[in-house]
Amino acid sequence: DIQMTQSPSSLSASVGDRVTITCRASQSISSYLNWYYQKPGKAPKLLINGAFNLQSGVPPRFSGSGSGTDFTLTISSLQPEDFAAYYCQQTYNTPWTFGQGTKVDIK
Amino acid sequence: QVQLQESGPGLVKPSETLSTTCTVSGGSIRSSYWNWIRQSPGKGLEWIGYIHHSGSTNYNPSLKSRVTISLDTSKNQFSLSLSSVTAADTAVYYCARGNMVEGVIGFGYWGQGTLVSVSS
Repeated sequence: DIQMTQSPSSLSASVGDRVTITCRASQSISSYLNWYYQKPGKAPKLLINGAFNLQSGVPPRFSGSGSGTDFTLTISSLQPEDFAAYYCQQTYNTPWTFGQGTKVDIK
Repeated sequence: QVQLQESGPGLVKPSETLSTTCTVSGGSIRSSYWNWIRQSPGKGLEWIGYIHHSGSTNYNPSLKSRVTISLDTSKNQFSLSLSSVTAADTAVYYCARGNMVEGVIGFGYWGQGTLVSVSS
């Protein structure tokens, strides 16, 4: 199985901050990398597909980059609705696997 | 707008079989990859498996011996069956549609999730 490791596991930030979350794959996955966000009690929502393709309706303050084994999700200016958990996922090989998550909370 | 809705038993006894169904509305089940994912309380996401609209399946090896995913095109539903459950199978079970965008499969639509507890 391909292991996905996110860092940090949690972070505290303020509204307006620039936030960066990293995801590392245990082997190369090209650009087969998705990012989701999840609010408590809700289903995950797809933010970015294919490492950098923003889904329709997702604000442009979100961006993704990377290929191979190292990927980054950046929120350029954190908004109140962005406090949530973020997960990366690889769909390069089955079993498709998720990172353990990064929880972003209010400083 | 595609919508997915899980229906499940809520409570299952140890060693029994968990069965849950996902009803798809606003789109046909005759396309895409139809997935089950679970999330144990306070934990991360685990992909269980998918059924392709062609009927082919792919399961997580960690659960493969206990999992069956099936498709009912007449009802626009797909179902999960997980046998010999233990307390470790207590989780919120999500169904999700996997679609290929720019050559990469992503889960763009999810159900709201159904909590299944395993307890006697």
